[in-house]
Amino acid sequence: DTAVSQTPKYLVTQMGNDKSIKCEQNLGHDTMYWYKQDSKKFLKIMFSYNNKELIINETVPNRFSPKSPDKAHLNLHINSLELGDSAVYFCASSPQGGGYNEQFFGPGTRLTVL
Amino acid sequence: TQLLEQSPQFLSIQEGENLTVYCNSSSVFSSLQWYRQEPGEGPVLLVTVVTGGEVKKLKRLTFQFGDARKDSSLHITAAQTGDTGLYLCAGGRSGSARQLTFGSGTQLTVLP
Repeated sequence: DTAVSQTPKYLVTQMGNDKSIKCEQNLGHDTMYWYKQDSKKFLKIMFSYNNKELIINETVPNRFSPKSPDKAHLNLHINSLELGDSAVYFCASSPQGGGYNEQFFGPGTRLTVL
Repeated sequence: TQLLEQSPQFLSIQEGENLTVYCNSSSVFSSLQWYRQEPGEGPVLLVTVVTGGEVKKLKRLTFQFGDARKDSSLHITAAQTGDTGLYLCAGGRSGSARQLTFGSGTQLTVLP
């Protein structure tokens, strides 16, 4: 199936731990994103990569570090997790050139920090 | 600061009723997209509108982009339980490093 996939779907961890979320898209898109959706369902962009190059880095604590080994993958590593990091994290991709930046989202990773 | 405000925030209606959801901004956008998100899933694109005054129909859903490209509406006719979900509008600007600004969302519940 062509899609954006994320692992894990659920992540429960203790404060202070380090964790990673993986994302892969097989749509052949050039641009990938990480979004955070809070408890009020507000979707806020965190990072954007185009062909493995960082192009958007919103005001996000430097405990969050994205890594793009190739244009089909964009992983998110979080150090020293805090209670406020609890949220649903979505990976998305969009094609480059033409179009209007339509986003294709993954199923989300629900992160709970205890 | 929320650049795109959606109203209402919550809407609960009976099956068969009509409804309209609004997406408003003081900023001009080059395009406006609508997404629907179901529980436990990511948002899915419904439509993109790009011209001021443009109207697009998707079965029972009608989308309109305001003449000044600052606002949009989504009208659902004869709502069905399958329409239940979180509706998100998202504005795009040309030359803005491919970034969308998402609205605050409208949670729609259609009761049988």
